[in-house]
Amino acid sequence: DQQVKQNSPSLSVQEGRISILNCDYTNSMFDYFLWYKKYPAEGPTFLISISSIKDKNEDGRFTVFLNKSAKHLSLHIVPSQPGDSAVYFCAAVTQGGSEKLVFGKGTKLTVNP
Amino acid sequence: GAGVSQTPSNKVTEKGKYVELRCDPISGHTALYWYRQSLGQGPEFLIYFQGTGAADDSGLPNDRFFAVRPEGSVSTLKIQRTERGDSAVYLCASSLTGVGNQPQHFGDGTRLSIL
Repeated sequence: DQQVKQNSPSLSVQEGRISILNCDYTNSMFDYFLWYKKYPAEGPTFLISISSIKDKNEDGRFTVFLNKSAKHLSLHIVPSQPGDSAVYFCAAVTQGGSEKLVFGKGTKLTVNP
Repeated sequence: GAGVSQTPSNKVTEKGKYVELRCDPISGHTALYWYRQSLGQGPEFLIYFQGTGAADDSGLPNDRFFAVRPEGSVSTLKIQRTERGDSAVYLCASSLTGVGNQPQHFGDGTRLSIL
């Protein structure tokens, strides 16, 4: 049973436009959420995170929004750049335990020049 | 470099053989994690070390899988009697103390192929 779901396997956007990647979760015990970016043959790289007590966190071109009542989060990238082309994973964690990350299946973002 | 280092980067072996995968975490990080990523999936948790001890091994699929971290730094994931279904990318991650709001930093993984 997938506790973290990324329902879009792929997304294609034009350079300079906004990319919106979505993630849904089912476990209400999750209290911290992270986005990772992965290039082929490399490990996931941490991008941005958000605590469940917040609804928005911004870091440069990247903003993560959290809607706890809907159990939904999204990652906004604006403006999108060709170098942003990668697979993006949403992950969730319940703090106070082993802090293991529960990942979605990922969304492959392609930013076209 | 100062990142998480995993060796070998690729490992091809025959079904039934024994394999060891090594992870060298970021210096000073007490928390170390192993994940497994199959094609088209996100990484799946295997085991978590806090220092030398395995604090959570609930993700290990069966008793063919074992991991150690004897001195609290380098960790080795060991797989006995390998099966074709063990083929995957094995990822190691570390974080400073294991508190949830500290991001885990991943190595580039070991791609294991069982023939």
